[in-house]
Amino acid sequence: GENVEQHPSTLSVQEGDSAVIKCTYSDSASNYFPWYKQELGKGPQLIIDIRSNVGEKKDQRIAVTLNKTAKHFSLHITETQPEDSAVYFCAASIGNQFYFGTGTSLTVIP
Amino acid sequence: DAGVIQSPRHEVTEMGQEVTLRCKPISGHNSLFWYRQTMMRGLELLIYFNNNVPIDDSGMPEDRFSAKMPNASFSTLKIQPSEPRDSAVYFCASSSLGGHEQFFGPGTRLTVL
Repeated sequence: GENVEQHPSTLSVQEGDSAVIKCTYSDSASNYFPWYKQELGKGPQLIIDIRSNVGEKKDQRIAVTLNKTAKHFSLHITETQPEDSAVYFCAASIGNQFYFGTGTSLTVIP
Repeated sequence: DAGVIQSPRHEVTEMGQEVTLRCKPISGHNSLFWYRQTMMRGLELLIYFNNNVPIDDSGMPEDRFSAKMPNASFSTLKIQPSEPRDSAVYFCASSSLGGHEQFFGPGTRLTVL
């Protein structure tokens, strides 16, 4: 089955700096890569996603890149703000099934 | 739209008791997923349904776990008997059939003493 690895597990940045989270996957059949943000006591919420036929996608301060050859994808958050502090999960999808990374706890220091 | 609704939000029970978790997917969504989240294992898919039919239950840890979806607007996850190692946050998510995005509920935090 699919195996998704996510790094780093924790990340602290100063407000205004950029944050980068990286994931790798193992199954070349994976064709959809969502990123979820989970705040304390809440369920994961989709923040951005990318499909396998696209190399990069941007939404305001958030961007995701995908390298299908190397089987890795990354989340980039620019101009970080304290409200960006949360746990972020990447996932790789084959059909309906999502395979999640282990999460990155991001802390933005004011 | 109210989003995915789960109940209860918190459940504390004693080992050996039966636990039933409930989920109402987003109206119009045809796929429903049950996940378990723990510190040790992260987010694990337990089972998912398409059009109320269980498609893959390979993630269900043991026979003590069972899930049903009697209609398009309701699903249950039952643990009988419960054990302390079942303590976790259980999430329900739904999506439209053929769609990719999964919408998660707020979760049920289960504590088995």
